[in-house]
Amino acid sequence: AQSVAQPEDQVNVAEGNPLTVKCTYSVSGNPYLFWYVQYPNRGLQFLLKYITGDNLVKGSYGFEAEFNKSQTSFHLKKPSALVSDSALYFCAVRDISNFGNEKLTFGTGTRLTIIP
Amino acid sequence: SQTIHQWPATLVQPVGSPLSLECTVEGTSNPNLYWYRQAAGRGLQLLFYSVGIGQISSEVPQNLSASRPQDRQFILSSKKLLLSDSGFYLCAWRTGTGVSPLHFGNGTRLTVT
Repeated sequence: AQSVAQPEDQVNVAEGNPLTVKCTYSVSGNPYLFWYVQYPNRGLQFLLKYITGDNLVKGSYGFEAEFNKSQTSFHLKKPSALVSDSALYFCAVRDISNFGNEKLTFGTGTRLTIIP
Repeated sequence: SQTIHQWPATLVQPVGSPLSLECTVEGTSNPNLYWYRQAAGRGLQLLFYSVGIGQISSEVPQNLSASRPQDRQFILSSKKLLLSDSGFYLCAWRTGTGVSPLHFGNGTRLTVT
C-alpha cells in the first residue's frame, strides 16, 4: 500500500520569508514523489517530481523539494515567499515497485497563505 | 503542445438524472487517462483510469462509470445521480511511458440537488 501525509492543513508565512510545506510518505518499495499546486476552481498544476538521483529537486516558480529517505519525507520549500504563492498544495506518491501500478495517491492538501 | 479540455465547467443536476462529463486531450497519442473526484476542496480520490481504448480500471465501486471510445476521449457517466455524487471532478492525462507527471484539466463542479 502507498500513502501520503500532509500534517498541516494550513501554513501562514510572511511575504519574503522562507516557506516549508511538509510531506511524509509510505510505500513498500521505491517512491516516485510529486508536488502539485491548485488555485481556486482550477485543476492541479505540476510543480516538481523526484524519481532518483539528487535529493534536492528544483521545480517551477522557484520551488524546490528535498527527498529524505531515512525520514520518508519530501518537504516543499521556497527561499522567499510571494503573495502569489498562496494556494492549495498537494504531495503525491506512486510506488514503482508494483509493476503496472498507475495509482498516484495524493495527500489531503496544505493551504498556504502568504501574508503581505 | 499538449492540452486537455474538460466540460462543462459547472453543472447542476437533480437527483436521479443522468450524467455525462467529457474530457479530451490534444497533442499526444495513447495517453493514460484518469478521473479524480475532489470533495470539499481537499483530497483527491482516483475513480477510474485507462491505459488504452476500451480499457477501464475502476478504483472505487460506486454510482459512476467511465468509457474511452476514442484514444484521446474519456467520459464519466452515471445513470442516476445521488446527492453524494456532488463534487469537483478532474480529468488528467500522462504519457504512458516512464515517470511523466499527471496533467489536469480545469475540472467540472457538479452539484446534485
